[in-house]
Amino acid sequence: SQQGEEDPQALSIQEGENATMNCSYKTSINNLQWYRQNSGRGLVHLILIRSNEREKHSGRLRVTLDTSKKSSSLLITASRAADTASYFCATAGSGAGSYQLTFGKGTKLSVIP
Amino acid sequence: DAGVIQSPRHEVTEMGQEVTLRCKPISGHNSLFWYRQTMMRGLELLIYFNNNVPIDDSGMPEDRFSAKMPNASFSTLKIQPSEPRDSAVYFCASSLGLAGGGRPSTDTQYFGPGTRLTVL
Repeated sequence: SQQGEEDPQALSIQEGENATMNCSYKTSINNLQWYRQNSGRGLVHLILIRSNEREKHSGRLRVTLDTSKKSSSLLITASRAADTASYFCATAGSGAGSYQLTFGKGTKLSVIP
Repeated sequence: DAGVIQSPRHEVTEMGQEVTLRCKPISGHNSLFWYRQTMMRGLELLIYFNNNVPIDDSGMPEDRFSAKMPNASFSTLKIQPSEPRDSAVYFCASSLGLAGGGRPSTDTQYFGPGTRLTVL
């Protein structure tokens, strides 16, 4: 079963607005990663947050991690039409099989110019 | 760096035919992953190699699927015989990993552009 579950499944906003996507997971993790996938393309790594970190920034991206609630959020500020894509969270477990990233089904973000 | 290279980008074949997908990981990366993406099931890990050795193939759907990594710069995923339900986008990804067969790194994975497979 999928470890990460994104919410919402789809999000439509106007250019310039902020977009927030959430991810929940079930078991303990080593780290959590966010990836972006443009239509017809491969996944591109955006940011990685480790289990002992609570917040991380990269440009217009802000990721938070709450291990007590087993949840993470990805905030994209001042969105642009080029941010239109699907966003996936992926969890790396802390156990013996921790090489494996388990991906959620993604949030489809549409940014309207 | 050219990134992860996959070929072909698109493959259309008829049921029963053999299909071979190819991947060239990023030079210096020790870990290679094959994924399958469908609307229904999302992104699924099929098999993982570390230092050219298959570590976990529990995600391979059935015996019709096989994967090899003869050297550090090349891997193949073969489906024989192919079936319509194999239609999906197949991704190869590589990561730095750890040398020497130790516990693998769970850091960033770099994905190729994918092969869109259609089995008629």
